[in-house]
Amino acid sequence: ETGVTQSPTHLIKTRGQQVTLRCSSQSGHNTVSWYQQALGQGPQFIFQYYREEENGRGNFPPRFSGLQFPNYSSELNVNALELDDSALYLCASSLGGLPVETQYFGPGTRLLVL
Amino acid sequence: EDQVTQSPEALRLQEGESSSLNCSYTVSGLRGLFWYRQDPGKGPEFLFTLYSAGEEKEKERLKATLTKKESFLHITAPKPEDSATYLCAAFSGGGSYIPTFGRGTSLIVHP
Repeated sequence: ETGVTQSPTHLIKTRGQQVTLRCSSQSGHNTVSWYQQALGQGPQFIFQYYREEENGRGNFPPRFSGLQFPNYSSELNVNALELDDSALYLCASSLGGLPVETQYFGPGTRLLVL
Repeated sequence: EDQVTQSPEALRLQEGESSSLNCSYTVSGLRGLFWYRQDPGKGPEFLFTLYSAGEEKEKERLKATLTKKESFLHITAPKPEDSATYLCAAFSGGGSYIPTFGRGTSLIVHP
């Protein structure tokens, strides 16, 4: 059984640029949730993808968007990057959409916006 | 608005010194409460899910309990390898089912 993987591990961008982060879900899981974790804070739910559809969204603007592919891997896209977007971006995989009963996190992508 | 508050923010213990971490929640119709462990620079590692008041779960030196207003993570005879940030998250059954995380408790266990 393979765990959740994310790429890249680190990324540096400048304000106004766009970024794409990638996540491969754990084997057998059909749901991917994305979180933003600022330094010293708990993770904040961005959105979830279940069966290739967005299935719940937190309080994030539309410039945060995503995709889920038929193999259940997922992408998070952030347009028009702002300095406050600097954070650890986590994806978590689970079964069955919301509510998330048990989810397993990847190692995260550390994004720095200059 | 759902809220989860964890205390203390930081805790230093000597090896073998038992203690408890607190997670207070305000959610409408709690559906579940999670505990995670997070090591620096890594993603959270799932520990427990609790569903109803009175429920308890154990794993090695950790025991999680749940009441109608809060959850405790009891650490018995901790070891230095238990040093990490412990996160709790709650989600309600009356709305979007989106989990709300606390800010975590940073635990350091000295040998």
